[in-house]
Amino acid sequence: GAVVSQHPSRVICKSGTSVKIECRSLDFQATTMFWYRQFPKQSLMLMATSNEGSKATYEQGVEKDKFLINHASLTLSTLTVTSAHPEDSSFYICSASLGLAGRDTQYFGPGTRLTVL
Amino acid sequence: AQSVTQLDSQVPVFEEAPVELRCNYSSSVSVYLFWYVQYPNQGLQLLLKYLSGSTLVKGINGFEAEFNKSQTSFHLRKPSVHISDTAEYFCAVSDLGSGTYKYIFGTGTRLKVLA
Repeated sequence: GAVVSQHPSRVICKSGTSVKIECRSLDFQATTMFWYRQFPKQSLMLMATSNEGSKATYEQGVEKDKFLINHASLTLSTLTVTSAHPEDSSFYICSASLGLAGRDTQYFGPGTRLTVL
Repeated sequence: AQSVTQLDSQVPVFEEAPVELRCNYSSSVSVYLFWYVQYPNQGLQLLLKYLSGSTLVKGINGFEAEFNKSQTSFHLRKPSVHISDTAEYFCAVSDLGSGTYKYIFGTGTRLKVLA
């Protein structure tokens, strides 16, 4: 149980285009989802916290207009990188928690590697 | 602000030897503590967690960790490692006082098991 998927696993795009990454909880309802960014050989940096049906809460320094997050249902959250640039190239990982009763533990997706040319 | 320190960026160890990966956190309030493992180009897999109760926590793959409140530590141990344990290990803390259940991650420790 508690499986989280991400799609796509890898994407290459041209500078200036937008890319959408999907995060799905496959066998549970996720009230809260989190989006992280991981640079090579570094730790995970939290970008935003996403609650179903409400606006995402962004961490300091993360541009909300550049990284659009939509949590449309209890099993799906999307991250859209708008007008991507090479510096946005990174490994993006989402996680989900098991609703209010299980919000203490996050279950992570396999990640999406974004390369912007 | 909450912080997590993993002092060892890299730990080489021979197969079947014991290993300890260190994690210290800074917090004056109650916390939840986690260890995750990340294999190359993959997401994070939960190894174990401490929420409350017994300070010795057993996880998957033969790993265990001990919560030490006085030393604000949560070190990860395994008595005998395998080649397949080679991976990146992350310690994370969730500050109960924040009410957000956000994680703060350490910088990770790369465990390399040698034959």
